[in-house]
Amino acid sequence: DVKVTQSSRYLVKRTGEKVFLECVQDMDHENMFWYRQDPGLGLRLIYFSYDVKMKEKGDIPEGYSVSREKKERFSLILESASTNQTSMYLCASLGDRVTYEQYFGPGTRLTVT
Amino acid sequence: TQLLEQSPQFLSIQEGENLTVYCNSSSVFSSLQWYRQEPGEGPVLLVTVVTGGEVKKLKRLTFQFGDARKDSSLHITAAQPGDTGLYLCAGAVETSGSRLTFGEGTQLTVNP
Repeated sequence: DVKVTQSSRYLVKRTGEKVFLECVQDMDHENMFWYRQDPGLGLRLIYFSYDVKMKEKGDIPEGYSVSREKKERFSLILESASTNQTSMYLCASLGDRVTYEQYFGPGTRLTVT
Repeated sequence: TQLLEQSPQFLSIQEGENLTVYCNSSSVFSSLQWYRQEPGEGPVLLVTVVTGGEVKKLKRLTFQFGDARKDSSLHITAAQPGDTGLYLCAGAVETSGSRLTFGEGTQLTVNP
């Protein structure tokens, strides 16, 4: 079974702090994704990566950056957290390049106060 | 950006009832997935359909992909409280690489 893990389930940070969210997958997948999920807005793609050190902006990259130094690890960075970044953050990896099935981590519920 | 419209947005039914959730788009998808998400957890893949007209069954769940590969439906027979959750459809368009387009989800509550 594919396993995608995220470093924290719940996180509370203050406005202006730098926040790191980490995601690790154990299936040697090349493509990894970061989404945020908000009520009424569904899943929105922040960034994705298709190989080590390669990244592409998704639909809402503003205020975020990412790092992919190793194939199994994809990090999301909030340079200066703001209250409107309070959300559920989901990491996923691509399991099949024909069907595009994605496997998700358990999510990180981030609250910025 | 391709849109995937999912309906209904909310559904509350009694145990034993049947229900259908719809996922529609004007785009043609090379594949479409259905996920279920429980509160505080990430989405879990239920099924993938790739061929127009395809029907897949997973116990009491039946998934159908439209002939033109623009729409899909999820039918649950004799719903149980354990079916409660957020159901998401997601489609892959050939020109979007590995990106998926997600519907907004259907929040299903099955009351005992």
